[in-house]
Amino acid sequence: KNQVEQSPQSLIILEGKNCTLQCNYTVSPFSNLRWYKQDTGRGPVSLTIMTFSENTKSNGRYTATLDADTKQSSLHITASQLSDSASYICVVRDYGQNFVFGPGTRLSVLP
Amino acid sequence: EAGVVQSPRYKIIEKKQPVAFWCNPISGHNTLYWYRQNLGQGPELLIRYENEEAVDDSQLPKDRFSAERLKGVDSTLKIQPAELGDSAVYLCASSLRSKGTSGGHNEQFFGPGTRLTVL
Repeated sequence: KNQVEQSPQSLIILEGKNCTLQCNYTVSPFSNLRWYKQDTGRGPVSLTIMTFSENTKSNGRYTATLDADTKQSSLHITASQLSDSASYICVVRDYGQNFVFGPGTRLSVLP
Repeated sequence: EAGVVQSPRYKIIEKKQPVAFWCNPISGHNTLYWYRQNLGQGPELLIRYENEEAVDDSQLPKDRFSAERLKGVDSTLKIQPAELGDSAVYLCASSLRSKGTSGGHNEQFFGPGTRLTVL
């Protein structure tokens, strides 16, 4: 069964600190992997997308990595800001237009 | 460019009542998705449309849920009758699927969602 798992379930950090969120997947055949940010009361917004041949992608203070061999991805947030408080969702797409969503990691950045 | 529009943003109803959600996708996007998101979980696909055709409704509880996308643009999701367990956020998303691409990015753009509370 195609699944996406994320860890930790929730995370609390102080403003200015770095953090890394993890995503493991079993989706096959793999097409691409996205990280979304979802603010409370809003729909998810895409941060990064990576295909099989890409192993890192940056978007400002967000850097995503992908290891297609081990089927793992991470999202690293540098110098966190209060506005980074949100849920971060890992989504893996197969070649059949199927998107498998992870449960998300709830990040809270405290002043 | 306007994003995906959904209405209403919030809806509170009593169980056994009907409810409908409306979605206007990004102009030109031929693929439309309805998702249900429970608190603390990721979205779960209910139905996917390619233009006006429902191509994946395997997860749609057809005894009480129905959807339509007339003319391949706007879409409506209906629940009748609603149950307590239907309380969730209902998200609509759209994407532009290019011809001949089984892979490709096909980025989904999400609306703000409708938060449904069934009492």
